[in-house]
Amino acid sequence: ETVMTQSPATLSVSPGERATLSCRASQSVRSNLAWYQQKPGQAPRLLIYGASTRATGIPARFSGSGSETEFTLTISSLQSEDFAVYYCHQYNNWPPWTFGQGTKVEI
Amino acid sequence: QVHLVESGGGVVQPGRSLRLSCAASGFTFSNYGIHWVRQSPGKGLEWVAVISNDGNNKYYADSVKGRFTISRDNSKNTVYLQMNSLRAEDTAVYYCVREGSGRVFDCWGQGTLVTVSS
Repeated sequence: ETVMTQSPATLSVSPGERATLSCRASQSVRSNLAWYQQKPGQAPRLLIYGASTRATGIPARFSGSGSETEFTLTISSLQSEDFAVYYCHQYNNWPPWTFGQGTKVEI
Repeated sequence: QVHLVESGGGVVQPGRSLRLSCAASGFTFSNYGIHWVRQSPGKGLEWVAVISNDGNNKYYADSVKGRFTISRDNSKNTVYLQMNSLRAEDTAVYYCVREGSGRVFDCWGQGTLVTVSS
């Protein structure tokens, strides 16, 4: 099983600041890595797939980078609606498909 | 517009069964694999099961293998998750998720809550 480890668990950021979230895979997942945003009471929403491709309708302030085992999600200038929990997810080595434990971005 | 709508959740006693449904619309259902992913209260996401577009291939998480069965009816655009021998640790919101091109989980339903409690 490919274990996904996210850091930090909680990130405290002010609106307008840059946020950098990390995700590490226990073995290579090539570029088969996605990022999701989840707000309280809502389903996860796809932000990034293929490690760096923004999903439809996702603002340009969200960007993803990395490959193999090290990945980063960057939010260039946090807006109020960006405060949420973010999950990384690998879909290269399956089954099982695996998720990170999440990073909470808070004010 | 792509839509996935889960139903069938509720409160059930340990050891009992429950069947969840996921109704799809807005896309050619028979072209896509469908997953179930769950989230325990206040916890992260856990993949549960997947069924291929034609129903011929199925995989399960070790935590549910032998207890849960995934199936689909392409004539009804619906996927099912039959959950038997339920345990307290199965308590979670269950999401059905479409596997899009490149195997990305590109569309999620709103979820249905399953509570296993005596």
